[in-house]
Amino acid sequence: DTEVTQTPKHLVMGMTNKKSLKCEQHMGHRAMYWYKQKAKKPPELMFVYSYEKLSINESVPSRFSPECPNSSLLNLHLHALQPEDSALYLCASSRGLGRVAYEQYFGPGTRLTVT
Amino acid sequence: AQKITQTQPGMFVQEKEAVTLDCTYDTSDQSYGLFWYKQPSSGEMIFLIYQGSYDEQNATEGRYSLNFQKARKSANLVISASQLGDSAMYFCAMREGVTSGSILTFGEGTQLTVNP
Repeated sequence: DTEVTQTPKHLVMGMTNKKSLKCEQHMGHRAMYWYKQKAKKPPELMFVYSYEKLSINESVPSRFSPECPNSSLLNLHLHALQPEDSALYLCASSRGLGRVAYEQYFGPGTRLTVT
Repeated sequence: AQKITQTQPGMFVQEKEAVTLDCTYDTSDQSYGLFWYKQPSSGEMIFLIYQGSYDEQNATEGRYSLNFQKARKSANLVISASQLGDSAMYFCAMREGVTSGSILTFGEGTQLTVNP
C-alpha cells in the first residue's frame, strides 16, 4: 500500500481564520514533507520531518506552522494567511532521508483558497 | 543554472504511439537519483520511475522506461503505447548526494496530451 491521504480535499478560508491540513501515511515511512504548488509550476518544498522532528524549514512564513504528532501523521496549521497563499498543498512521505534512492510518495493534495 | 531542465512545455502524441519527454540535469555529485512523476489534473503526484547514478541498466516500469545517458546528463522518459489516461503534467526530479538527500529538485514540467 503506497497511499498517502490528505484532508480536506478543498478548503476556502478568510484571512483571519485558523485552519489545519492533515496528512496520514501507514507505510512505516520515517520522513514526511509539505510542499506548496502553484498552478502550472513544480512543487516547492516547505518543511521536512524526520523521525517526528523538524529537519528542514525552507524559510516558510510563521503563518504556516507544521506539526508531527506521530510517525504516521503530519499537520499544517494555517493562521492569518494571505490571498497569495492560495495553492495546492501536497504532503509526501519516504522511507527516510539521506539516501538518494528513497522515492517520495505524494498525497492527492489540498486545494486552498484564501479570500 | 537550472539543476533540472525540461525543454518541452507541451507535447502531443497520438494514442498507441510512443513519446519521449526530455530531461537534462546538472550536478557535480557522483551519487544522485533521478525520478519521474506524473501529475494528472486531479493534482496527485504519482511516482513513475527511478534511476540511480550508479545503475548500469536503464530503468523500466511497465510502459515507462528511462533513457539514461550519464555522460550527456540526460534522463529522458519514454512512454510506449500511449493511452488517453497518460494525458498529464510530467515532472523530472533529482536528489543529490547524501547530505542533501531529502531535497527533490524538480524541473518545470512537460504537459503531455494524448490525442485519440
